[in-house]
Parts: sequence; structure tokens; C-alpha cells
Amino acid sequence: GDSVTQMEGPVTLSEEAFLTINCTYTATGYPSLFWYVQYPGEGLQLLLKATKADDKGSNKGFEATYRKETTSFHLEKGSVQVSDSAVYFCALVNRDDKIIFGKGTRLHILP
Amino acid sequence: AAGVIQSPRHLIKEKRETATLKCYPIPRHDTVYWYQQGPGQDPQFLISFYEKMQSDKGSIPDRFSAQQFSDYHSELNMSSLELGDSALYFCASSLGGTRASYEQYFGPGTRLTVT
Repeated sequence: GDSVTQMEGPVTLSEEAFLTINCTYTATGYPSLFWYVQYPGEGLQLLLKATKADDKGSNKGFEATYRKETTSFHLEKGSVQVSDSAVYFCALVNRDDKIIFGKGTRLHILP
Repeated sequence: AAGVIQSPRHLIKEKRETATLKCYPIPRHDTVYWYQQGPGQDPQFLISFYEKMQSDKGSIPDRFSAQQFSDYHSELNMSSLELGDSALYFCASSLGGTRASYEQYFGPGTRLTVT
């Protein structure tokens, strides 16, 4: 079945470091891809999305590019801040219109 | 801007009791989704409603039921609670139908603890 695999956490970085959180997917056809962020005690917030191959989603300094050849949608940010500490979920919507989440990656940013 | 409202935010129940969780979607949103997120887990889709009708069903136990009312708010009713039902329950809303690719706005969740 369709699935999303993302790197296990926690990921701990120093402020201003470069961030990559890997995400790969398995799905039939051309799913839409998403990154959600969950801050402590809050619900999921859509961070960015891409709906077709080679699309780049971006928001708040985060970017991810839909790579069909490698079935990946890695999340990157050039310089992280303490306020970026959260859990990040990669997700897809498949051709059956089901949203499938990855297991989440907890990110800790140290001042 | 108004967001999705869930109540209560925290709920403690004993085994075999019942619980009712409420979700108030963003104004003018007509679609509501319920998710269950266990500790350290990803959200699991339970059920969704569009225009007051059940539109999709996921891994919702038979002990649970839900409905959407005329004002579009939704309630998740949980009976015969089990320890394993302890989780964070999210509601999300969207506009225009049940396509999951439509942007879903999530509420802050209700943390249910079953003792």
C-alpha cells in the first residue's frame, strides 16, 4: 500500500545550522505531497505542499522539492531557529484521496 | 482569523465510561475530519463528514460514533472506553468537499486519558 517514510528523530541542531529532514514515499500515480508542523500542545499546521513533479513548496524559510525520480520530498531550511523546534510530518494524498502521514520527526534546536 | 475549536482540551475518563468530543470548524467550512494520534505516533484518520453526511470512514472502532450537525459542528462519541483509547484526538476542517488534497485546518486537539 501507499506509505510515507521519514527519518527518525529526534534531530538536534544548533541555532543557524542547516536542516534536512528526509522523506520518501510509495504511491501509485502522482500523489500530492505535504509537510505539516506540530508545535508542542498544538494541532498540525500545513507548512508547505507540492502537487506535481518538480514543484517546490516553500514557507517560513523551509523548502521541499517534489522529486518523482527518487520519490522524495525532503524538507530543508538554511538556518534554523530555536522557534523551529517542533515535530514535522511528511504526508501524501493518494489517488484514492486518502491522506497518509509519516511517523513524524522531532526537531530540537539548541540556542 | 478564526480557527478550528475543539472541546474539551483535556479529558480524563475511566475504563468503560463514555466520552464526547466536540469540534467547531472554521466558519463556512463544510467538511470535518477526525483523527486519532497515539503517543509518538502519526495521526490516524477516523471518519469525515461533508454537508452533515458521513463521507469517509477510516480506522474508527465500532464503539465510536460521530455526526455533523446543521451548524456544521461535529461530535465524536466514544463508549466502553479502553486504556488504548488514550490519545490526542484532532479535528480538522476544510471547505468544498471531501477531497483530502483540499487544505485541512487542524484544531489543537483533545487529549483523552483513560485510566
